[in-house]
Amino acid sequence: AQKITQTQPGMFVQEKEAVTLDCTYDTSDQSYGLFWYKQPSSGEMIFLIYQGSYDEQNATEGRYSLNFQKARKSANLVISASQLGDSAMYFCAMREAFGNEKLTFGTGTRLTIIP
Amino acid sequence: NAGVMQNPRHLVRRRGQEARLRCSPMKGHSHVYWYRQLPEEGLKFMVYLQKENIIDESGMPKERFSAEFPKEGPSILRIQQVVRGDSAAYFCASSADRGANEKLFFGSGTQLSVL
Repeated sequence: AQKITQTQPGMFVQEKEAVTLDCTYDTSDQSYGLFWYKQPSSGEMIFLIYQGSYDEQNATEGRYSLNFQKARKSANLVISASQLGDSAMYFCAMREAFGNEKLTFGTGTRLTIIP
Repeated sequence: NAGVMQNPRHLVRRRGQEARLRCSPMKGHSHVYWYRQLPEEGLKFMVYLQKENIIDESGMPKERFSAEFPKEGPSILRIQQVVRGDSAAYFCASSADRGANEKLFFGSGTQLSVL
């Protein structure tokens, strides 16, 4: 079974609109971390936001927020007021507990912001 | 405070040659991870190292690939006798510690092209 599933290969969104990128995960660990990374066309991987499994509040970083629904095992990224510079690949990733700390990535969503 | 530094940014090798990719983690980070990304795909874990030790190499091909993280100096990913299928972007990430809540920060990657 896939550990991280991103079901949207591509999305087109009008500039200034909000966008939600979906991510579901699969783990039997109680302690885990969920991450979102942005990869623009230049190729680097940019850390956006992190949510710990024990965090009671949804993480927020500027225009980014993470809609964490633990019972549904989902960790959707919400970008408010999208900008042209948000066009990129977005990857959801999960890190599990001691002994299995490698970050496991989803297949990504290519987001294109339309002016 | 410099981030994760990878060099070279681009590396071209002919089939049969050796490729050496370097990664200097963020200051204060002693945990290093190597990932490979094929075109239009997500990142695949290769190896996790802590100073002088390989912690998890479950994603490393059994032959031709090796990694080290010496006490002094950068981490090195070495690919011997490269083949065209080794062409990919190789990313290094670092973290300050183990555990599900430790953030990983990535370098800009090395694009390996095998002719």
